[in-house]
Amino acid sequence: EVQLVESGGGLVQSGRSLRLSCTASGFTFGDYAMNWFRQAPGKGLEWVGFIRSRAFGGTTEYAASVKGRFTISRDDSKGIAYLLMNSLKTEDTAVYCCSRDGSGSYGKGRAFDMWGQGTMVTVSS
Amino acid sequence: DIQMTQSPSSLSASVGDRVTITCRASQGITNDLGWYQQKPGKAPKRLIYAASSLQSGVPSRFSGSGSGTEFTLTISSLQPEDFATYYCLQHNSYPWTFGQGTKVEIK
Repeated sequence: EVQLVESGGGLVQSGRSLRLSCTASGFTFGDYAMNWFRQAPGKGLEWVGFIRSRAFGGTTEYAASVKGRFTISRDDSKGIAYLLMNSLKTEDTAVYCCSRDGSGSYGKGRAFDMWGQGTMVTVSS
Repeated sequence: DIQMTQSPSSLSASVGDRVTITCRASQGITNDLGWYQQKPGKAPKRLIYAASSLQSGVPSRFSGSGSGTEFTLTISSLQPEDFATYYCLQHNSYPWTFGQGTKVEIK
């Protein structure tokens, strides 16, 4: 079964760091770019950033709101994508979820087709 | 950044109604657009990809159309399980951006 499971969320003080994990199963993880999204309480969905597959350089892109503070990495041997969040702000409070994008390897049918349930991050002042 | 303007922001409809939701992109995105359904506390579920292709396992009452800057999601006959929030997502040019969402409520 294809599955994405996020973990690592919790309550953290403003200015501190937190690392989230997105653990994949049931598919060839290394073929996919991995994206992180977030949804603040009662708000819409927001893209956070992504990491390309190794075949496409393994490079990263970020939303302006997190650039310089957040870092995405991946361990293809374990099937895990990470989101390291530094210098957290109260406005980073949200459910964070990951999604795969296989459009580079498989076409648009595999673009953001699977999502995890998310993990809640609460940043207190 | 590409802005996705989604309308309406909410609608009230009855079971059996035909429902149409629109997303307009601030610049052309070819067909790099997906439609997603989200229920409270749940992950987004993809309904449509490449603007008009139906996701496997999704009922045929859902359909998508459009290309370039104008896109439409249609539910031909609303069912009780369709009451949810719907989002469009463009992935033509990053930052990937969503529409603001459409909450479909029971009339």
